[in-house]
Amino acid sequence: GIQVEQSPPDLILQEGANSTLRCNFSDSVNNLQWFHQNPWGQLINLFYIPSGTKQNGRLSATTVATERYSLLYISSSQTTDSGVYFCAVPTDSWGKLQFGAGTQVVVTP
Amino acid sequence: GAGVSQSPSNKVTEKGKDVELRCDPISGHTALYWYRQRLGQGLEFLIYFQGNSAPDKSGLPSDRFSAERTGGSVSTLTIQRTQQEDSAVYLCASSSPRRGGAKFKYNEQFFGPGTRLTVL
Repeated sequence: GIQVEQSPPDLILQEGANSTLRCNFSDSVNNLQWFHQNPWGQLINLFYIPSGTKQNGRLSATTVATERYSLLYISSSQTTDSGVYFCAVPTDSWGKLQFGAGTQVVVTP
Repeated sequence: GAGVSQSPSNKVTEKGKDVELRCDPISGHTALYWYRQRLGQGLEFLIYFQGNSAPDKSGLPSDRFSAERTGGSVSTLTIQRTQQEDSAVYLCASSSPRRGGAKFKYNEQFFGPGTRLTVL
């Protein structure tokens, strides 16, 4: 089945810093989702991005489907950005998602 | 409703007991998915339902796990004779169908808050 790898596994940022998270996948995909899991465990949808670039406030994402990777950019990080960031790709036409292991982000004041 | 809801939010049970976890998807979403997240790990797929078709049970870890979806809406995940390794957060997601005969038939998934199951 399709493999999804995320890097780095852990990231510690000082408030205000910028960072880039990466998601590599082993096969061509029709779509990709980025999620933020907050410290209370809730999965929050960030981006639904098959290709190209999308922006939402201080966050943006770029997926290069032909090269099988996606990047999530966090700019001017805030303590509320702390949590685990997951990318996930569908493994079949019905949308069954394969998740990466996540990147644990800690933003310090 | 406004989002996917799940109940209970927390469940503590003794080894060997049966448990039922409930998921109420977003209104109008015909696809419903169950995932499991063990402590410190990513999510693993368990089962999904799409419309009136037979569910895909390929992710269920053992025959102690089963799920049903009544009336195309609410779903219940049942774990029989619970074991300590069943302790995890169980998350439900739903999705709406994509129009136009696209190869990939569903849109992005939205997740509920999860049920934290602890088996003592």
